[in-house]
Amino acid sequence: AQKITQTQPGMFVQEKEAVTLDCTYDTSDPSYGLFWYKQPSSGEMIFLIYQGSYDQQNATEGRYSLNFQKARKSANLVISASQLGDSAMYFCAMREGGGNKLVFGAGTILRVKS
Amino acid sequence: SQTIHQWPATLVQPVGSPLSLECTVEGTSNPNLYWYRQAAGRGLQLLFYSVGIGQISSEVPQNLSASRPQDRQFILSSKKLLLSDSGFYLCAGTEGKTQYFGPGTRLLVL
Repeated sequence: AQKITQTQPGMFVQEKEAVTLDCTYDTSDPSYGLFWYKQPSSGEMIFLIYQGSYDQQNATEGRYSLNFQKARKSANLVISASQLGDSAMYFCAMREGGGNKLVFGAGTILRVKS
Repeated sequence: SQTIHQWPATLVQPVGSPLSLECTVEGTSNPNLYWYRQAAGRGLQLLFYSVGIGQISSEVPQNLSASRPQDRQFILSSKKLLLSDSGFYLCAGTEGKTQYFGPGTRLLVL
């Protein structure tokens, strides 16, 4: 079974609008971490945001926020006030337990329109 | 904070030739290090990880090997490349709970 599922292969958003990128996960471990990375066309993987399974509040980092719904096992990324530079591939990833290995989803391509 | 360096940035190699990709880390000591491969338009697949010098764990059976001769050096190798080894190779290191990535190496095997 897929541990990380990103159901949106591609998304479009108008510049300055908000967009939500979906991510659901599957784990039986009560301790885990969820990550979002951005990969522009250059290929580098840029860390955006992290949410721990025991964190009481949703994580936020500037224009990025993580809508963490533990019961639904979802960790959607919300990008507010989209910019043209946000066009990239976005990956959701999970770390289980005390380990450091990450499992990645298939990614979502985001295109911001002017 | 740590910085991950990778070279070369791009490599074109014939089938059957050897491979050596290097990853070095600065700004931290004794990091966990990782090699990932990304096929075109796909997600990342973990190939190897290392928790210390000489300690290598392989995640998938394949034509590649990894070594960690120094604390901040992680090398990905092959004795004979296959066409299927083409892809984008990323090295990553942990800092706290987060993995940070290098710029990657694009490998094309012809």
